[in-house]
Amino acid sequence: NAGVMQNPRHLVRRRGQEARLRCSPMKGHSHVYWYRQLPEEGLKFMVYLQKENIIDESGMPKERFSAEFPKEGPSILRIQQVVRGDSAAYFCASSPPSLGSNEQFFGPGTRLTVL
Amino acid sequence: KNQVEQSPQSLIILEGKNCTLQCNYTVSPFSNLRWYKQDTGRGPVSLTIMTFSENTKSNGRYTATLDADTKQSSLHITASQLSDSASYICVVSAGWGKAAGNKLTFGGGTRVLVKP
Repeated sequence: NAGVMQNPRHLVRRRGQEARLRCSPMKGHSHVYWYRQLPEEGLKFMVYLQKENIIDESGMPKERFSAEFPKEGPSILRIQQVVRGDSAAYFCASSPPSLGSNEQFFGPGTRLTVL
Repeated sequence: KNQVEQSPQSLIILEGKNCTLQCNYTVSPFSNLRWYKQDTGRGPVSLTIMTFSENTKSNGRYTATLDADTKQSSLHITASQLSDSASYICVVSAGWGKAAGNKLTFGGGTRVLVKP
């Protein structure tokens, strides 16, 4: 059973471009979470999604950031018109659908560098 | 505001020695507390998870304790190895039931360096 997959592992963008980060959860997991880790800081919650639904996006910046988890395919975190402050490691985690399950399994992260 | 504070920020220990990391939290309503290990350039990997009623939990050479009254936790590493060099992150989950998994508050981590 493969773990949580994220790609690309490293992404370089120039200011104003778009960044698309992909996350494939573990097999059988229907809950996906995105976190951002700025340099020298702890992880910060961004958004929690289930298939085709955004459950909690209280940690997402109001502008330029969006996330989706379609019925088929990976979850996508999209950052439009990137700025230097978006440079960070973005981690995805997934958990199984069973009620009360709290364990989240993390992917290796995507390191975004904005030039 | 939910917060998780860890100390020390960094720690250097000699191979074979023990060390203890601290975590204080103000998270409500408390659901569970987890310790993760994060190697450089990698995602966090779970070491232990404890609910309100658990005082201690071990995973090999890692032993976590929880005092829900004082809202403190510790992670003890026994007989450290070079591979223990990593960041150790205390994470507290708020809420309960189905929603408990989605609101994690992360501490800033303690960076441990084990030297030969």
